[in-house]
Amino acid sequence: QQQVKQSPQSLIVQKGGISIINCAYENTAFDYFPWYQQFPGKGPALLIAIRPDVSEKKEGRFTISFNKSAKQFSLHIMDSQPGDSATYFCAGAYSGAGSYQLTFGKGTKLSVIP
Amino acid sequence: DGGITQSPKYLFRKEGQNVTLSCEQNLNHDAMYWYRQDPGQGLRLIYYSQIVNDFQKGDIAEGYSVSREKKESFPLTVTSAQKNPTAFYLCASSIVPITGGNEQFFGPGTRLTVL
Repeated sequence: QQQVKQSPQSLIVQKGGISIINCAYENTAFDYFPWYQQFPGKGPALLIAIRPDVSEKKEGRFTISFNKSAKQFSLHIMDSQPGDSATYFCAGAYSGAGSYQLTFGKGTKLSVIP
Repeated sequence: DGGITQSPKYLFRKEGQNVTLSCEQNLNHDAMYWYRQDPGQGLRLIYYSQIVNDFQKGDIAEGYSVSREKKESFPLTVTSAQKNPTAFYLCASSIVPITGGNEQFFGPGTRLTVL
């Protein structure tokens, strides 16, 4: 079964600190790993994504680290702000057989306290 | 203004009734998706469609049905056969990637409550 395991389930970080969320996947056919951010009552929005041919991608305060051999990837949020408080989902996707499906982790609720 | 619209935002249903959730996009995307979100469960794929008049079951299709008569529209019907329909339903769309993945754009969601 294609699974993406995400941890922790919830995370509390002080303002200015580093938030780290981890994901592990099983399906070695995955060729795209996005992170989505969701605020309460809203739909998720793409935050940052990586493909397995690179080990790190940085966009502003957000960085994905990718370890292909361990089948793990993580999201680092530097200088965390109260506005970053949201639920974060990692996902894996593959385009086998002409289809494209995202398999999501169960989410991490991040709270950044002042 | 390009995007995905879902209606209604809140929907209440009596047990035994079918209800249809609307999803419309003006992004000119070929692919559309329906997800169900429950607390602590992440997003689970119900159905997806890559082209008009064609759609595929996702991981939890039982008790749901869809149609794709127009590129812009992908309505979801929650039937009385769905045993636990109370959830937050999200519609998404994307281009159809040749290789690798591409961004899925999500609508604002419909919260369905069974009374």
